[in-house]
Amino acid sequence: DIQMTQSPSSLSASVGDRVTITCRASQGISNSLAWYQQKPGKAPKLLLYAASRLESGVPSRFSGSGSGTDYTLTISSLQPEDFATYYCQQYYSTLWTFGQGTKVEIK
Amino acid sequence: QVQLVESGGGVVQPGGSLRLSCAASGFTFSSYGMHWVRQAPGKGLEWVAFIRYDGSNKYYADSVKGRFTISRDNSKNTLYLQMNSLRAEDTAVYYCANGEIAAPFDYWGQGTLVTVSS
Repeated sequence: DIQMTQSPSSLSASVGDRVTITCRASQGISNSLAWYQQKPGKAPKLLLYAASRLESGVPSRFSGSGSGTDYTLTISSLQPEDFATYYCQQYYSTLWTFGQGTKVEIK
Repeated sequence: QVQLVESGGGVVQPGGSLRLSCAASGFTFSSYGMHWVRQAPGKGLEWVAFIRYDGSNKYYADSVKGRFTISRDNSKNTLYLQMNSLRAEDTAVYYCANGEIAAPFDYWGQGTLVTVSS
């Protein structure tokens, strides 16, 4: 199985801050990477796919980058509605796997 | 708009069985692959199973292989997960989501809670 390792597991930030979350795959996944946002009690929501493509309707303050095994989600200016848990996911393999999640909390 | 509505969750004893359903609407269900994903209380997301649009291929996580069976009825726009030999560690919210091989999970249902406890 391809293991996905996210860091940090949690972070505290203020509104307006720039936030970066990283995700490392245990082998190359050729940009077959998605990012999801999950708020408490809600289903995950797709934010980005193919490492850097923004899903329709997602604000442009969200961006993604990376290649090979290392990927990054950046929120350029954190908004109150962005406090949530973020998961990366690889879909390169038919044993789909998620990172352990990064909880973004209010400082 | 796309809607995925799970049902069938509940409390079951260890070793018991349960069948989950996911009713789909707002898209051509018979053209899309479908997944089950679960989330144990306070934990992260774990992919469980996938079925191709026509049911021709199925994939399972090692943790459920041989115990869970994914299926679909395209005439009823419904996805199923038959869960047998349930264990305490299967306790989770179970989500259905649509997506293909080599593609992300586009839409998710609201989830249904399965609790395995004596």
